Amino acid sequence: ETGVTQTPRHLVMGMTNKKSLKCEQHLGHNAMYWYKQSAKKPLELMFVYNFKEQTENNSVPSRFSPECPNSSHLFLHLHTLQPEDSALYLCASSRRRTASGNTIYFGEGSWLTVV
Amino acid sequence: AQSVTQPDIHITVSEGASLELRCNYSYGATPYLFWYVQSPGQGLQLLLKYFSGDTLVQGIKGFEAEFKRSQSSFNLRKPSVHWSDAAEYFCAVGMNTGNQFYFGTGTSLTVIP
Repeated sequence: ETGVTQTPRHLVMGMTNKKSLKCEQHLGHNAMYWYKQSAKKPLELMFVYNFKEQTENNSVPSRFSPECPNSSHLFLHLHTLQPEDSALYLCASSRRRTASGNTIYFGEGSWLTVV
Repeated sequence: AQSVTQPDIHITVSEGASLELRCNYSYGATPYLFWYVQSPGQGLQLLLKYFSGDTLVQGIKGFEAEFKRSQSSFNLRKPSVHWSDAAEYFCAVGMNTGNQFYFGTGTSLTVIP
């Protein structure tokens, strides 16, 4: 139990579907992150939220749409995805984005398969 | 530019043998250093971290790591590996402003009986 919970753990969706990934953290943190982990590739930082405000978007295609209604919850809305978007999507949180000695804690991940 | 290098893509060790996973970083100041472990199908779990003080850091599951400033390294060690240690290990570096965090490409560990 890491304090960061992701649902669903597995998701299969068609290219025309709309689905969402959900993340909730119980650590009292103020920064939340989405990472993408594809096979044989380094971890890719997608989005960062700090105190509910999006502070980073690392050139992520618009078919991925994040939402952070409060510091404890983070969503990744998915629509019109491509098969190459199939990957493990990891949510993470930390005390805050610019804290000295920031430690990032990860959830278990959501396995996404686009068919 | 800042970077993290894990030179070994894959390592195989026998159960009970010692383990050392290498991590080198490139950063002008003293960074914050982390090791994470990822079991198959799981997220990343924090093993240990170094912020300051004693350069030998103890972590969970019997792991330790040593920060060597002169070598820009933060190698992970375990004196006796267990079959359950088979996983992917990631070294990470955080900048002292906290707003940048870099991961290495990972080292896959196989443990043979």
